Amino acid sequence: KNQVEQSPQSLIILEGKNCTLQCNYTVSPFSNLRWYKQDTGRGPVSLTIMTFSENTKSNGRYTATLDADTKQSSLHITASQLSDSASYICVVSAQNQGGKLIFGQGTELSVKP
Amino acid sequence: KAGVTQTPRYLIKTRGQQVTLSCSPISGHRSVSWYQQTPGQGLQFLFEYFSETQRNKGNFPGRFSGRQFSNSRSEMNVSTLELGDSALYLCASKGTGETKDYNEQFFGPGTRLTVL
Repeated sequence: KNQVEQSPQSLIILEGKNCTLQCNYTVSPFSNLRWYKQDTGRGPVSLTIMTFSENTKSNGRYTATLDADTKQSSLHITASQLSDSASYICVVSAQNQGGKLIFGQGTELSVKP
Repeated sequence: KAGVTQTPRYLIKTRGQQVTLSCSPISGHRSVSWYQQTPGQGLQFLFEYFSETQRNKGNFPGRFSGRQFSNSRSEMNVSTLELGDSALYLCASKGTGETKDYNEQFFGPGTRLTVL
């Protein structure tokens, strides 16, 4: 069964600190993996998208890594800011399924001053 | 260019009523997907429309239906509302091979539906 598991479920860090969020998936055959940021009450916004051949991609203070062999991805946030408080969702797309997306449950990040 | 827009942003209904939500995709996008998001279940796929045809469907009861118009705007309808239908309903549009943002999905702000 195609699944996406994220950890931790929630995380509290102090402003300025770094953090890493994890995503494990069992989706096969793999097409691409995306990380989204969702602020409370708003729609998700794409941070990064990676295909099988890419193992790292950055977007400002956000860096995503992908290990397609172990089917794991991580999202590293550097020098966190209060505005980073949001839910971070890992989404995996399978090949040959019409672009169907499998969503993780998300990690709720809270950055405190 | 303008992003994905959804109307209304907030809606309160009572059990047994029906509701219609609207989504306007990014100009040039022909694929529109609908999702239900609840705290307990996360984001769950409802259906996808492409060129006025339903292309994919999630595991939701028949009370949930949708359609897409020739201008790619889409509507989602929920009949006989239940308390458990209270959720944030998100719409997302996706580019095609003719657009430079091909395969990237862009979400709207969502419609917050509360069923009393």
